Parts: sequence; C-alpha cells; structure tokens
Amino acid sequence: GAVVSQHPSWVICKSGTSVKIECRSLDFQATTMFWYRQFPKQSLMLMATSNEGSKATYEQGVEKDKFLINHASLTLSTLTVTSAHPEDSSFYICSASPSGRSYEQYFGPGTRLTVT
Amino acid sequence: RKEVEQDPGPFNVPEGATVAFNCTYSNSASQSFFWYRQDCRKEPKLLMSVYSSGNEDGRFTAQLNRASQYISLLIRDSKLSDSATYLCVPPDHGGSQGNLIFGKGTKLSVKP
Repeated sequence: GAVVSQHPSWVICKSGTSVKIECRSLDFQATTMFWYRQFPKQSLMLMATSNEGSKATYEQGVEKDKFLINHASLTLSTLTVTSAHPEDSSFYICSASPSGRSYEQYFGPGTRLTVT
Repeated sequence: RKEVEQDPGPFNVPEGATVAFNCTYSNSASQSFFWYRQDCRKEPKLLMSVYSSGNEDGRFTAQLNRASQYISLLIRDSKLSDSATYLCVPPDHGGSQGNLIFGKGTKLSVKP
C-alpha cells in the first residue's frame, strides 16, 4: 500500500517552454502533498505544500508564478514549471501522507527535468 | 528552521561489516524519528519509523539518544544492496505543514 506515482519520469524541454508534472496517490487519499526539488549532491528541499481544494503554500524563495501547483482531487497534484530555464534542471519529487500519519511520507519516483 | 546534521560520508565498508550513522538535531520533546534511504537518482524510501526510543527490524537498529541529541542507525551484516544514501528525520523535524526536513544524508558504499 501507500504507492505514489509521478509522470513523466524524465523530460527534456527547451528553454522558455512549460512542463507539467503529475503526482498521484494510487491507493490512498492525500489531503496534502508536497513538492521537493533535489540538485545533485544536495538534500531534498521543499518547494511547496499542496492542499486539496486550496492554494498551495510556497517556501521562501520559490516563485509561485513560475511553479504552478494545482491539487484538484485527493489523489492528484500537478506542478507546472513555466518558462523553464536551464537552472530549473533538477530532480522533482512529490510526496504524500496517508491521513493521520503525516510523518510517514511516501514519495513518488521523481521526475528528472533537463532544460536545454 | 531547525537544522539537521549528518556526516555525509562516504562510508566504505566490506560486505558483512557493521556500520553506524549518527544524525544530530536541536532540542526536541518528540520521540518520533525516521530513517529513509535514497538510491542514486531515485526517490527516498521509508526505512524505519520509530515512535519510542528505538526500534529493531532485522539487520537494522535505530536508536534515539536524547541526552546527546542524536539518532543513530546501525546496520549489521552489510549487504551490497545496502549501498545507498541514508537520510534522517530527527524528532520534531517536520515543518509546520507536515513536510519533512531532511539532512543531506550519509552515503554508504558496501564493497564485495
């Protein structure tokens, strides 16, 4: 149980284009999902917290107009990187917690984004 | 924001060895802590959840040292498949939104 999927697993896009990443909890409902980013040899850094039916909460330094988050249902959250630039190239990982078990986070397999 | 300190390693050990990692944290009243493992270019996976002072699961033992403010992970009889980066989430190192605050991880490499 507690499986989280992400799509796509990797994507290469040109600078200036937008990329949408989907995160789904397959066998549980997740009121809250989290989006992290990890650069090589760095720790996972939280970008934003996605709440079903409401606006996402962004961490300091993360541009909300650049990283659009939509959490339309209890099993799906999307992250759209708008006007991507090479410095946005990173490993994007989402996570979700089953209700009542907030510290037991289950991660999606991640999306490796390369912007050329 | 609370900081999490981990020895980045790498720890290079032979198969069968016993290895231990520590993770220091700032003061907390909580006893819950977690260890995740992350393979190269993969997502973190929950390894152990501990809701008391310690937990043992097969070859893995996790302990909380409240006096010295660190948590530890002990791996006995290391296997090649144990090679990964181990991320700790010490007590009370969740953010206000319920997110996790990770250390940078300790890299373990088990050699044949």
